[in-house]
Amino acid sequence: QVQLQESGPGLVKPSETLSLTCSVSGGSISTSYWSWIRQPAGKGLEWIGRIYSGGSTTYNPSLKSRVIMSVDSSKNQFSLTLSSVTAADTAVYYCARENPSSSGWYDYWGQGTLVSVSS
Amino acid sequence: DIVISQSPDSLAVSLGERATINCKSSQSVLYRSDNKNFLAWYQQKPGQPPKLLIYWASIRESGVPDRFRGSGSGTDFTLTISSLQAEDVAVYFCQQYYDSPITFGQGTRLEIK
Repeated sequence: QVQLQESGPGLVKPSETLSLTCSVSGGSISTSYWSWIRQPAGKGLEWIGRIYSGGSTTYNPSLKSRVIMSVDSSKNQFSLTLSSVTAADTAVYYCARENPSSSGWYDYWGQGTLVSVSS
Repeated sequence: DIVISQSPDSLAVSLGERATINCKSSQSVLYRSDNKNFLAWYQQKPGQPPKLLIYWASIRESGVPDRFRGSGSGTDFTLTISSLQAEDVAVYFCQQYYDSPITFGQGTRLEIK
């Protein structure tokens, strides 16, 4: 059973950088695409981007200028950095796995971590 | 971006009755060469991450009860819960994976009448 766990600071100051890590257990990070998705309180889901184990990335154009994703296969982890944050970046951040048989849908999700942007 | 619109925004259905949620994409998500619709459905309960219900518009994920059925093609899709159970109270999202960026509908809140 694949499990994902997000970790990182729950509070970030405006204009600073948000950094999160997703730890994957129960399966290899080398077999799939991995994504970050966020959800402001009471709202819908926004796809941030994805990364493959080899390091290739695709970002949402709406966030592309501020997003960097990376992967550490030796630790079975992948990470998100989002720079120049504002209050609009306050959300629950999820990491998720795209089903390895065909890219696109998410069969495993982390529990999510709330990141608040506030001074 | 492909815009996904769900209707209704909220829905109240009696236990044992049918619930129907609609999802419309701004462009077709049907890949004609293999006749597959690049659309998934998720269920999200309070304080939990989304749970995959349906992919390829109509294929139930393993372990999902057969009262959940996905249908539709092209731009118009439907999630039907044939006989509503108390544990089905949740927000339901559809998602397209035909094109990047991946996009989701705004969600439909399902409650018991």
